[in-house]
Amino acid sequence: QKEVEQDPGPLSVPEGAIVSLNCTYSNSAFQYFMWYRQYSRKGPELLMYTYSSGNKEDGRFTAQVDKSSKYISLFIRDSQPSDSATYLCAMTGIIQGAQKLVFGQGTRLTINP
Amino acid sequence: DSGVTQTPKHLITATGQRVTLRCSPRSGDLSVYWYQQSLDQGLQFLIQYYNGEERAKGNILERFSAQQFPDLHSELNLSSLELGDSALYFCASSAHPGGGGGMGNQPQHFGDGTRLSIL
Repeated sequence: QKEVEQDPGPLSVPEGAIVSLNCTYSNSAFQYFMWYRQYSRKGPELLMYTYSSGNKEDGRFTAQVDKSSKYISLFIRDSQPSDSATYLCAMTGIIQGAQKLVFGQGTRLTINP
Repeated sequence: DSGVTQTPKHLITATGQRVTLRCSPRSGDLSVYWYQQSLDQGLQFLIQYYNGEERAKGNILERFSAQQFPDLHSELNLSSLELGDSALYFCASSAHPGGGGGMGNQPQHFGDGTRLSIL
């Protein structure tokens, strides 16, 4: 079992739709949770990072963390064609005395005009 | 533009060879991270340096090594290359190494990567 599971998609939705992207994880030692957006031929770009359970909002993006269920989500409201990219979840924690950083596989998202 | 510069953008070489990838972090950032991204493995953290010292290690093979120089630029050395080493290699930087729960409390800024092709 992978430490972080993310549905690779691809996911295709019409412009204006609400998009929900999700990751599950197995190790409760993960404490910081991040979402990155990666356009083709570019490096990942940090969108959101959160520490505690609950919601964090930034413009059209909302990150949600449920530590009890080991489940994180990224919601995109009023999706735009420019949101078409691969979205990667990532998480870090101190595991067996060492810092560990793990990324999900990434979900490829296409927003159709 | 993230401010992180990686060279070269593309590298084509043969099995058994050795290559060096270079990264210049954002101005003022002290910590550098290296990642490998392939289609089947996704984005894998390799190693982190902070102000010249190794800070954290991920899934880095023994054939791979890295260092961070006094001017804070970093190099990733890949030797005895195999076909499976073909991938995108990213460098990222952050102001500080991150503490507490890990590197996540320090935003990382990624370069655009070096695409390595092994023939």
